[in-house]
Amino acid sequence: NAGVTQTPKFQVLKTGQSMTLQCAQDMNHNSMYWYRQDPGMGLRLIYYSASEGTTDKGEVPNGYNVSRLNKREFSLRLESAAPSQTSVYFCASSYRDLNTEAFFGQGTRLTVV
Amino acid sequence: EDKVVQSPLSLVVHEGDTVTLNCSYEVTNFRSLLWYKQEKKAPTFLFMLTSSGIEKKSGRLSSILDKKELFSILNITATQTGDSAIYLCASVDSNYQLIWGAGTKLIIKP
Repeated sequence: NAGVTQTPKFQVLKTGQSMTLQCAQDMNHNSMYWYRQDPGMGLRLIYYSASEGTTDKGEVPNGYNVSRLNKREFSLRLESAAPSQTSVYFCASSYRDLNTEAFFGQGTRLTVV
Repeated sequence: EDKVVQSPLSLVVHEGDTVTLNCSYEVTNFRSLLWYKQEKKAPTFLFMLTSSGIEKKSGRLSSILDKKELFSILNITATQTGDSAIYLCASVDSNYQLIWGAGTKLIIKP
């Protein structure tokens, strides 16, 4: 029962470096999401993918890109990391039409110095 | 603009107390409301509420939705230190988009 798997769990980047956060789900969910969570601000949606082959911007997309590689995988890329992107990132997935309960990965704690 | 507001932002109580957490929403084409508990890592699902006035219950936790007044409450009775967490609520609209509140940080003192 893997559920939603995110890698890496921790990462430290220097300003300007790039990296990709990986996410995979094995629940055959249609929708996948990337969130960032900062203290006192709850979860903010970066990008989402309602179905394979589609991606859309969320509330805070600037500085990020995503790829829905297939139904299982949804990656988040930081092309040129900035200290403002220091955060905890969560990937989540859900059935779009049957059940809106979202299942979350364990999170990636990213620090940009 | 759609929004979800949780209150209080933080709460400290003693073990055995009962707490009530609030979640109000202003969402176009509201479909349902979700409650999650977040301890050290990922949020875990508690309840999904779709109909007004029908209480969902799981052990010491219960929740209810008021679609007329646009809010939901999460009740925890006989609190335990293991209930310490951030409690998040999120609204779901007709396009299945989630809008999250900022969360309530609950601390239970022994």
